[in-house]
Amino acid sequence: EDQVTQSPEALRLQEGESSSLNCSYTVSGLRGLFWYRQDPGKGPEFLFTLYSAGEEKEKERLKATLTKKESFLHITAPKPEDSATYLCAVQGANGQNFVFGPGTRLSVLP
Amino acid sequence: DTGVSQDPRHKITKRGQNVTFRCDPISEHNRLYWYRQTLGQGPEFLTYFQNEAQLEKSRLLSDRFSAERPKGSFSTLEIQRTEQGDSAMYLCASSLVLGDTEAFFGQGTRLTVV
Repeated sequence: EDQVTQSPEALRLQEGESSSLNCSYTVSGLRGLFWYRQDPGKGPEFLFTLYSAGEEKEKERLKATLTKKESFLHITAPKPEDSATYLCAVQGANGQNFVFGPGTRLSVLP
Repeated sequence: DTGVSQDPRHKITKRGQNVTFRCDPISEHNRLYWYRQTLGQGPEFLTYFQNEAQLEKSRLLSDRFSAERPKGSFSTLEIQRTEQGDSAMYLCASSLVLGDTEAFFGQGTRLTVV
């Protein structure tokens, strides 16, 4: 059974203090690993797709990386508007449903 | 096309009543997913369609839940005889089957059963 865990559960950073979020996964053949951002009361917003180990994607202050067992979301010099829950999901080789982790709740203080 | 649309955004119902939610996916997407999310948890898979065919349903899904996607366009999710434990955010997402398969989510329907 495909599984995703995320750490830490919650993270508080000062504005400008860089850090990383972890997503560990077990899947029977990885079709894709996905990062989403979710604001309170809203649906998840797509950020990145990673397909194979060694792949990296960047968007503004966010950079996602992938190994065979985990993915990291690096946040460089975060701003208060980066505060949100960050969700990681995997889709197995059968290409069916997406399995989500519990998320990391990020707070960036001014 | 402005993205995945869900209706209603909020629903309050009494225990035992039936409720129905609607999802309109991104027009060129042939896959449509339903997820449920409770506070502090990640989205939990319920079911998905490819065009009009329902291809997978979660083993955890009660018989009180049913979903349809007539003609492969919009989808409805019905919950019969609602219980307080059904209170959650119900999320719909759509994706392509081939190529970039990331799912795009709607804003969700918040269900409160009183």
